[in-house]
Amino acid sequence: QKEVEQDPGPLSVPEGAIVSLNCTYSNSAFQYFMWYRQYSRKGPELLMYTYSSGNKEDGRFTAQVDKSSKYISLFIRDSQPSDSATYLCAMGGTSYGKLTFGQGTILTVHP
Amino acid sequence: DGGITQSPKYLFRKEGQNVTLSCEQNLNHDAMYWYRQDPGQGLRLIYYSQIVNDFQKGDIAEGYSVSREKKESFPLTVTSAQKNPTAFYLCASSRVVGEPQHFGDGTRLSIL
Repeated sequence: QKEVEQDPGPLSVPEGAIVSLNCTYSNSAFQYFMWYRQYSRKGPELLMYTYSSGNKEDGRFTAQVDKSSKYISLFIRDSQPSDSATYLCAMGGTSYGKLTFGQGTILTVHP
Repeated sequence: DGGITQSPKYLFRKEGQNVTLSCEQNLNHDAMYWYRQDPGQGLRLIYYSQIVNDFQKGDIAEGYSVSREKKESFPLTVTSAQKNPTAFYLCASSRVVGEPQHFGDGTRLSIL
């Protein structure tokens, strides 16, 4: 079993839709959780970062963490064609030298 | 602007050749990282460095080498021992290990 599981998609939605992206994990030692967005031929860009269970909102983006279920989500409201990218979840802890990434979900928002 | 610069953007390697990928950051971050990205496999850690003159192997260090002589620079050498080097290589940095990492725009390495 992989430490982090992410549905690779692809996911295709119409403009304006609410998008839900999800990851599950098995390592209860993970302490912080991130979502990155990666456009084609570019490096990942940090979107959201949280330590605690619960919701964190930033504009159209909401990150949700449920440590008891080992489940994290990223919601995108009013999705735009410019949101079309690969979304990567990542997790780590202060005792780790690395982040553990999901495989990435390819999202396409069509006009 | 502060950020991470990787060069070159594209690189070609001949059989038996070592190649070096450059990574420079002006974020004053102590920690730097090298990842490899292959389709459908996410990012895998090659090496990381917590501080100058120190580095640790990641999950897939075989066939790679690094140095950290300056805080700003963390070059990666892909040696001829790496039998499947074709991939997208990403460099990242963070203020310290355990904090969010910020990435450069990658180097795509191919075999001639």
